[in-house]
Amino acid sequence: GNSVTQMEGPVTLSEEAFLTINCTYTATGYPSLFWYVQYPGEGLQLLLKATKADDKESNKGFEATYRKETTSFHLEKGSVQVSDPAVYFCALKDSSASKIIFGSGTRLSIRP
Amino acid sequence: NAGVTQTPKFQVLKTGQSMTLQCAQDMNHEYMSWYRQDPGMGLRLIHYSVGAGITDQGEVPNGYNVSRSTTEDFPLRLLSAAPSQTSVYFCASRMTVATDTQYFGPGTRLTVL
Repeated sequence: GNSVTQMEGPVTLSEEAFLTINCTYTATGYPSLFWYVQYPGEGLQLLLKATKADDKESNKGFEATYRKETTSFHLEKGSVQVSDPAVYFCALKDSSASKIIFGSGTRLSIRP
Repeated sequence: NAGVTQTPKFQVLKTGQSMTLQCAQDMNHEYMSWYRQDPGMGLRLIHYSVGAGITDQGEVPNGYNVSRSTTEDFPLRLLSAAPSQTSVYFCASRMTVATDTQYFGPGTRLTVL
């Protein structure tokens, strides 16, 4: 079945450090891939969406590239900010399925 | 638009009590769903609905009931609360079952003593 595996957290970085959160997936066909962000006390918000291989998406300084050859959709940011602490979820939706499958989430903290 | 709204925001129950978590959306979305979020386990799908009058089970449906009498509302009922149902519950909606982008409510934090 479909599944998403993302790196366990927490990830703790200094302000302006480089961020990578790894995400790999297992799916049949060509799923859509997502990154959602959950700020403290809030629901999930869509951060990035990619629908086909080699799509490179960016939003709020975050980037991710849909890589079919490695079945990955890693999240990156060149310089994390004090506004970025949150839990980040990788997810996929197979075009033939109704359900969105979520990874377990990775918590990002910034060192004071 | 208010988007997806959930009430209450917090709730404490005793074992065996019943309650209903409310969810509403004002975007005329056909597809609605309920998730629970537990530490280290991400989001797990409880129940979903592809349209008014149609509901189906997700991966963890036991102990929960749903109904979808209108497009806007999708309440989640706990029939006899158990400590294992202590969790944060999120309602979500999207335009249709085939649509990718999903919108989430702010969540309900439930504690069962």
